[in-house]
This record gives sequence, C-alpha cells and structure tokens, in this order.
Amino acid sequence: LAKTTQPISMDSYEGQEVNITCSHNNIATNDYITWYQQFPSQGPRFIIQGYKTKVTNEVASLFIPADRKSSTLSLPRVSLSDTAVYYCLVVLRGNTPLVFGKGTRLSVIA
Amino acid sequence: DSGVTQTPKHLITATGQRVTLRCSPRSGDLSVYWYQQSLDQGLQFLIQYYNGEERAKGNILERFSAQQFPDLHSELNLSSLELGDSALYFCASSVSQGRAGELFFGEGSRLTVL
Repeated sequence: LAKTTQPISMDSYEGQEVNITCSHNNIATNDYITWYQQFPSQGPRFIIQGYKTKVTNEVASLFIPADRKSSTLSLPRVSLSDTAVYYCLVVLRGNTPLVFGKGTRLSVIA
Repeated sequence: DSGVTQTPKHLITATGQRVTLRCSPRSGDLSVYWYQQSLDQGLQFLIQYYNGEERAKGNILERFSAQQFPDLHSELNLSSLELGDSALYFCASSVSQGRAGELFFGEGSRLTVL
C-alpha cells in the first residue's frame, strides 16, 4: 500500500477555503485516492474519491495532478462544523481493508 | 446514518473480563471490518470478514477473536481485558462492487476497562 503524508493539523477561520495536501509518492497504477472525515467519537465518513484530474461533490473537491504523486482536498467556505480529522488514503478497488494514518486535524475558528 | 449498527454503544468492565461487541452491516453488504481507535494508536485495522469467511487480519491480539454469522452480522470478542484495551471499536461494511475504499462505519462501541 502506498504510504501517505499529510499535515498533522491545520487551523482556519470560518468562511475560508481550506486545502489539505496529501503526498503519496509510491501510488500504483490501480490505486484510487480517497478521503475520509471523522468527527470526535464518530466513525469515519467517506467524503470523496478520485483517480486523476478533478472530482467535485457537494462536500468537497479533490485535485489530482497528472503524476498522481499528491492530491489536494479542498473544502470551500468552511464552517465550525467542518472541524474534524481528515484522512487521505490510497486504496485498491475491491473489498480491501483501509489503513488509516494519523490524518489532518482541522480546527475551524469563528 | 451509515446503516451500520453497533451495540452496545458504551461498555464498562473490569480487567480480566470478557466482552462481546456486535455489528449489523448495511443491508446486502458482505464485508465487515473491525477497527480499534485509541488516543495513542489512532485507527487500527483489526480484522475483515467477507460472507462469513475471514478475509484479512491486521493488528488483532490473540485475546481478541471475531466471526461473521450466516445472517452477515459480526461479533468481536475481547477476552482477558487489560486497561490498554480501552478504546472505541468501530465496525464498517462495504458492498462487493462499490467504489474502491468506500467503507460505511458504525457509530462505534466505547469500551472502558477499569
């Protein structure tokens, strides 16, 4: 499994756009980039996934450059309720277990 | 609501005891995963079952065991409990042909060992 590296923590003010970058230099051809969000005392929640270029959904956007060695999760206009830990994972298609790193603890300040 | 149900939500017990955590996956999901989350270790994968068979094993202690029943619910058995076993235990499930890496997590069972 490709190892991922992301910042331990980030702070942001409400209303700002937050970009969390993840590096995955050893990503394989069949790997997908997946991001999870976890609120305190809750299970992680899948938020977005991509293979290349850009993916957008109602929660976030995911930018993946052509070499796929990194990816950026973009959260538009964050609110206090976006305070959570965000995990970047590189996964294979299929029912394989996910290996979570430490994630990025995002704190949104009023 | 992810559709994954875990019971009990909270459990307090003493060292040396044995407990059973139960998980009902989303309807139709064949894979069940168990994770342990403690403050110092983060989210650790324990074990995966697929349609009743063990599929993958992670950092699961020998004192811990799990199984998946024909109705696809799963149980995680923790025995000879130690203080360090205090943690949140999450169950997750996934569809057979869903998006890569899309697991649906339950709300967890918080175990406190005194």
